Amino acid sequence: DAGVTQSPTHLIKTRGQQVTLRCSPISGHKSVSWYQQVLGQGPQFIFQYYEKEERGRGNFPDRFSARQFPNYSSELNVNALLLGDSALYLCASSSVYGTSGRIIYEQFFGPGTRLTVL
Amino acid sequence: DAKTTQPPSMDCAEGRAANLPCNHSTISGNEYVYWYRQIHSQGPQYIIHGLKNNETNEMASLIITEDRKSSTLILPHATLRDTAVYYCIVNYGGSQGNLIFGKGTKLSVKP
Repeated sequence: DAGVTQSPTHLIKTRGQQVTLRCSPISGHKSVSWYQQVLGQGPQFIFQYYEKEERGRGNFPDRFSARQFPNYSSELNVNALLLGDSALYLCASSSVYGTSGRIIYEQFFGPGTRLTVL
Repeated sequence: DAKTTQPPSMDCAEGRAANLPCNHSTISGNEYVYWYRQIHSQGPQYIIHGLKNNETNEMASLIITEDRKSSTLILPHATLRDTAVYYCIVNYGGSQGNLIFGKGTKLSVKP
């Protein structure tokens, strides 16, 4: 089965531009979370969406927004890019229950999108 | 902020057990301890989690102290491919909640 996929892999933008990052969760997963990872730091939580509704938001400015589509894929948008937005953006998907009915606790991460802002 | 404290780095000889400690003195009764690792330039990977009992799976063992204020992740026979940053995370429900990552422990497995 395919894991979490993200596109694009790499992206270069200039300050003030806008960017859209995309994530496709594992089939059957209804929850998608977004994280930002600056070089040398652990990932920082940005958003969580479950069943197309925002269920959590981290400490990020309003320039960051996201949405989840009926097929559970998700987009992260960042407006008015700053140099400090340069980071690896990670998407993670999860499901409450596995196919056997077992409660699932882990989140599954994609490879990330490397955003460079010049 | 992360609710865990980990050493910034550790070394381990290939084939030996790697024991990674984590302090979480403010953990509450319904919070789990999770371990994830991140190999260079990849997304984090789930390893194991536990509430109060020790746990073991095909990747690792998790030992949680009786007072739940600290835990140890054990990789029984470390290989070079286990070189990664290991994150200890306290969370009430990892599949639905957000994960609060700290800086983790950089484990270097040496031949």
